[in-house]
Amino acid sequence: QKEVEQDPGPLSVPEGAIVSLNCTYSNSAFQYFMWYRQYSRKGPELLMYTYSSGNKEDGRFTAQVDKSSKYISLFIRDSQPSDSATYLCAMTPYNNNDMRFGAGTRLTVKP
Amino acid sequence: EAGVTQFPSHSVIEKGQTVTLRCDPISGHDNLYWYRRVMGKEIKFLLHFVKESKQDESGMPNNRFLAERTGGTYSTLKVQPAELEDSGVYFCASSPETGLNTEAFFGQGTRLTVV
Repeated sequence: QKEVEQDPGPLSVPEGAIVSLNCTYSNSAFQYFMWYRQYSRKGPELLMYTYSSGNKEDGRFTAQVDKSSKYISLFIRDSQPSDSATYLCAMTPYNNNDMRFGAGTRLTVKP
Repeated sequence: EAGVTQFPSHSVIEKGQTVTLRCDPISGHDNLYWYRRVMGKEIKFLLHFVKESKQDESGMPNNRFLAERTGGTYSTLKVQPAELEDSGVYFCASSPETGLNTEAFFGQGTRLTVV
């Protein structure tokens, strides 16, 4: 079993839709949870991070962490064609620099 | 401010040859990380430098891989001799003194193809 599971998609939605991206994990030691966005031929770009459980909102993006279920989510409201990219979840134990990534979900937002 | 830069962007070499990848972190970032993504797999950690010292190299696959960071500035990752399974995208990332992965900035990656 992989430490971090993420459905690779692809996921295609119409412009304006709410997008839900998810990851599950098995290591209860993970404390920091990140979402990265990666455009084609580019490096991952940090979108949001949360520490432990709870929600965090930044504009159209909301990250949720449910440690009891070992489940994290990223919601994108009013999705735009410019949101089309691969979204990677990543997580790490406290003060540990070995990030564990999900496989990434490829998202396409159609105009 | 310049971001993390990697050279070359793409390299094609024959099995058995040597390749050296370079990473220039963001100026002032003491922490430098190497990651790689092989075809069909997730991005995986290779190693972590704090300044010129290797903090954690638990992800290095074998002794054909050698990473250096002379003077605590840029870093190189040498693969010698390269094998077919080394093909993939190699990412470098850097972060400030805190060392938290939450602040890691990635380069665009070097796509390595071993034929």
